[in-house]
Parts: sequence; structure tokens; C-alpha cells
Amino acid sequence: AQSVAQPEDQVNVAEGNPLTVKCTYSVSGNPYLFWYVQYPNRGLQFLLKYITGDNLVKGSYGFEAEFNKSQTSFHLKKPSALVSDSALYFCAVRAREGYNQGGKLIFGQGTELSVKP
Amino acid sequence: NAGVTQTPKFQVLKTGQSMTLQCAQDMNHEYMSWYRQDPGMGLRLIHYSVGAGITDQGEVPNGYNVSRSTTEDFPLRLLSAAPSQTSVYFCASSRGGQGTLPLHFGNGTRLTVT
Repeated sequence: AQSVAQPEDQVNVAEGNPLTVKCTYSVSGNPYLFWYVQYPNRGLQFLLKYITGDNLVKGSYGFEAEFNKSQTSFHLKKPSALVSDSALYFCAVRAREGYNQGGKLIFGQGTELSVKP
Repeated sequence: NAGVTQTPKFQVLKTGQSMTLQCAQDMNHEYMSWYRQDPGMGLRLIHYSVGAGITDQGEVPNGYNVSRSTTEDFPLRLLSAAPSQTSVYFCASSRGGQGTLPLHFGNGTRLTVT
């Protein structure tokens, strides 16, 4: 069965410091991996994705993520955190199990990122 | 371009009542889906559709029905509301294909069942 784990419910970072939000996954075959961000009382917004190719992917707002196949991880990173980065972050996976699997994402539990000035 | 629009934003139901959560998208997306968000559990897929006339069950379909008569609309029906269905519901859409394209989410419907 497919699954995604975000081992930290909350991550606290000082503004200007680097941040990492962790994600590990379990899926048969090669995955499609995504990060989304949710601000209060809003829907999720797409940040970045890994489909194939370079293991380091760059996304919106200065975020990047590194795909590590051997560790089945896809950690989200940013070199210098901003207070405005404070939000709920979700990792998600979709297995490459054929056509017409769009819309079927498996989400992690979410990690609350708090960036203090 | 409104994106994905969900109505209502808030709803309170009594146990046993039925209602329909509306979802519409104006991006001509083939794929649409419904998720529920509960604290500590992330988002779980309820039902999804790959095109008009085609729907399938997700991870937690019990107690919910869907239909997709047009590309734009994907309503979610609660047949007989239960307190366990208290949650925040999100509708999402994406273009078709191999599933590499990101989902676009609505702003959610917060449902309370008493």
C-alpha cells in the first residue's frame, strides 16, 4: 500500500535560518512526489514536484526539495526562512500505476512550520 | 478565471440530514476529486473523476455519493450526515494525462455535524 510519512508535526525555525521539512514515502515502483502549502482558511497551493530527472527540484517562493530514492525521502528545504513561510506543509505521492490516475494523491499528515522573527 | 469554487464555505447539519457540497472549476480540467482534511490525518481521498460520466471511489467513500454530469461540476452528496463526517472538505482539479500535473484546490467547506 502507498503511504507518506511526515515525522514532525511541527518545525520551529528562526527567521534567516535554513529550514527542512521531512517526508518519506512508500510506493511500489517510481513515484511522482509533490509538496503543497496551506495557509489558514485556504486550500492547498502547489509548491513543487519531482517527476523524473535531476534529484534536486526547485519550486515557488525559494523552496527546493531533494529526491533520494535509496532513502525513499523527499525533504523540503529553504536556505533562509521567512516569517511569511509559516504555514502547514503537505507532502504527497502518486504511484505511476497507469493512465487516469490523476487526482489520486496520497498525502502525509502535514507539518506545521513556524518561523519566528 | 475563478479556478476551483466551493460552496458553501460553512455548514452545520444535524445527524441524519442530507446535503450537497458544490464544486465547480472553470479551467476545463478533466480530473476532479474530493478530499477531507482532519487534524493529524492529512487529506484523504473520498471520490474522484477522470472525466464527465466517470467516477470512482477513493480511500474513504462510505457515506458519500458523487456524480459528474459535466466537465465543470463535481458535487459531493452526504446521504445521512453523521458526526464522524465533521471535517473540512476540499475539491481539487487538474488537467488529464499521466498524473504529473499539480492539483488546484478550492478554499474548502467546513462542515459540522451535531
